Amino acid sequence: KAGVTQTPRYLIKTRGQQVTLSCSPISGHRSVSWYQQTPGQGLQFLFEYFSETQRNKGNFPGRFSGRQFSNSRSEMNVSTLELGDSALYLCASRGGGGYQETQYFGPGTRLLVL
Amino acid sequence: ILNVEQSPQSLHVQEGDSTNFTCSFPSSNFYALHWYRWETAKSPEALFVMTLNGDEKKKGRISATLNTKEGYSYLYIKGSQPEDSATYLCAFLRYNFNKFYFGSGTKLNVKP
Repeated sequence: KAGVTQTPRYLIKTRGQQVTLSCSPISGHRSVSWYQQTPGQGLQFLFEYFSETQRNKGNFPGRFSGRQFSNSRSEMNVSTLELGDSALYLCASRGGGGYQETQYFGPGTRLLVL
Repeated sequence: ILNVEQSPQSLHVQEGDSTNFTCSFPSSNFYALHWYRWETAKSPEALFVMTLNGDEKKKGRISATLNTKEGYSYLYIKGSQPEDSATYLCAFLRYNFNKFYFGSGTKLNVKP
């Protein structure tokens, strides 16, 4: 079974631009969560999508948004990029979306904002 | 603000040493605790999902225990090997909050 994939793996943008990151979950998984990791910080929860609906949201500004498609693939969008958005962005999928299920992480997208 | 704390932040041990680290979380409204191993340049890999007070889980040389009443979990590695070098993360899930709160991790370095 293929694992969670994320594209692109690396990205360089400038302040004010916007960016879209993509995550393909493990086949059959319906829940996709997104996380941000910055230096010195643990993983911070951004949001979770389940069956095309945003189920939970972390404490991030409205510039961070996402969506999920009918095939469970998810995209995350960040508009009006700021220097502080430079981070590793990870997505994770779970099968039925239960919180006692194992989360499987993708390799991440490393975003650098100049 | 919900705090999940891991200690120590980093640990250096010799090959063959046994070691353990701690994850502390709020003791109220516990729902689940996940442990992950995160090797450099790889994805975080799930080790254990713990749900019941007193849970003990084992995977090879790695085991974990859970005390939900006092709000902590221990991860043990017996006979550490260089390939165990990684950051170990715990993630706490509070009932009805439906999102994971991660600790900042314990970085383990096992010297040959």
